Amino acid sequence: EPEVTQTPSHQVTQMGQEVILRCVPISNHLYFYWYRQILGQKVEFLVSFYNNEISEKSEIFDDQFSVERPDGSNFTLKIRSTKLEDSAMYFCASTEARVPETQYFGPGTRLLVL
Amino acid sequence: QKEVEQNSGPLSVPEGAIASLNCTYSDRGSQSFFWYRQYSGKSPELIMSIYSNGDKEDGRFTAQLNKASQYVSLLIRDSQPSDSATYLCAVMGKTSYDKVIFGPGTSLSVIP
Repeated sequence: EPEVTQTPSHQVTQMGQEVILRCVPISNHLYFYWYRQILGQKVEFLVSFYNNEISEKSEIFDDQFSVERPDGSNFTLKIRSTKLEDSAMYFCASTEARVPETQYFGPGTRLLVL
Repeated sequence: QKEVEQNSGPLSVPEGAIASLNCTYSDRGSQSFFWYRQYSGKSPELIMSIYSNGDKEDGRFTAQLNKASQYVSLLIRDSQPSDSATYLCAVMGKTSYDKVIFGPGTSLSVIP
């Protein structure tokens, strides 16, 4: 069964450093998303992406964040200058946007900012 | 602010019992409703989706939706220790590609 994959599974970085989280959505899916979950808190929407542009972004998704689909398979989330509070699990999701409109989640990248 | 609320946990049930999980949502325009299961440190795993009022059954799981009351529930029959996890209620807006808004989750513990 096709699945969303994410790399790396874990990332440790120093505050102020740039990180790039990578995702490979399911191949025939058209809409892509990033969510994050701070430890012990709920899953929060960051950004949605379609047709090579951002469809919607949350208040969390400030100028430090950017997304890109650099080729036909990868979907990346870049954090330019990480802060301690960026430490979280980051989930990529994709959907075919048909009925059922299920979003399929990747296994996540655990980011720790020191 | 669109909100999804869930009954506070943790919820403990004995093995073989019925676990009942509840969820309310604030956006009356929401069209799609999901229950995800999340094990500690893992990603959300979809277990049920429901789009119209009434009940939807899938094996030991039954989702119930009442749009007038803005209420979604999940019943787990014959609960097993492997059902022990956090259950996330999630709501999608008007379009089939809208973001999903998650509730805070209810932790379920099934005691052998």
